[in-house]
Amino acid sequence: AQRVTQPEKLLSVFKGAPVELKCNYSYSGSPELFWYVQYSRQRLQLLLRHISRESIKGFTADLNKGETSFHLKKPFAQEEDSAMYYCALEGEDSSYKLIFGSGTRLLVRP
Amino acid sequence: DTEVTQTPKHLVMGMTNKKSLKCEQHMGHRAMYWYKQKAKKPPELMFVYSYEKLSINESVPSRFSPECPNSSLLNLHLHALQPEDSALYLCASSQSVLAYYEQYFGPGTRLTVT
Repeated sequence: AQRVTQPEKLLSVFKGAPVELKCNYSYSGSPELFWYVQYSRQRLQLLLRHISRESIKGFTADLNKGETSFHLKKPFAQEEDSAMYYCALEGEDSSYKLIFGSGTRLLVRP
Repeated sequence: DTEVTQTPKHLVMGMTNKKSLKCEQHMGHRAMYWYKQKAKKPPELMFVYSYEKLSINESVPSRFSPECPNSSLLNLHLHALQPEDSALYLCASSQSVLAYYEQYFGPGTRLTVT
């Protein structure tokens, strides 16, 4: 079964510290993986997707098929990074379903 | 116009009422979605429309009835809801249902069933 696990409900760091939001997935094929973010009082929006291999707002995420992980990283956290982060998976058999993890709230303290 | 809009923002309804949620996008997207999000939980997929045809119904109770009258509009008709149906209902759209395409989310309708 397709599943996304985000083990941390809350991650609190100080400004300038490195950040790593963990995401592990369960899927037998080749998944499409995404990070979505929801800032306070804003709508849910795409942050990045593994297929694009891009860096958005200083965040990167590398797909590790061996460890079935897609952790989100940023070397120096900023206060404006405080938000709810969801890892999401869509399988290659698709079924057009985006399956979200339970989310991690990132709090960046000044 | 690069936004998904949803109306109303808030809705309070009794268990015997009939109401509708509306979602609109003018980005030319051909896939539209309804999600349900309970407090402090991730969004859960309810329905997917592709080219105005229902592609997925995630075993949603019949008291929720989706409708896609044209490529820009998506409705969710509500009837005889239960208090446990109270949640944030999110609409999203994407160019296609293929996994590569980003889903654009609306701000949601916060529904309270009394």
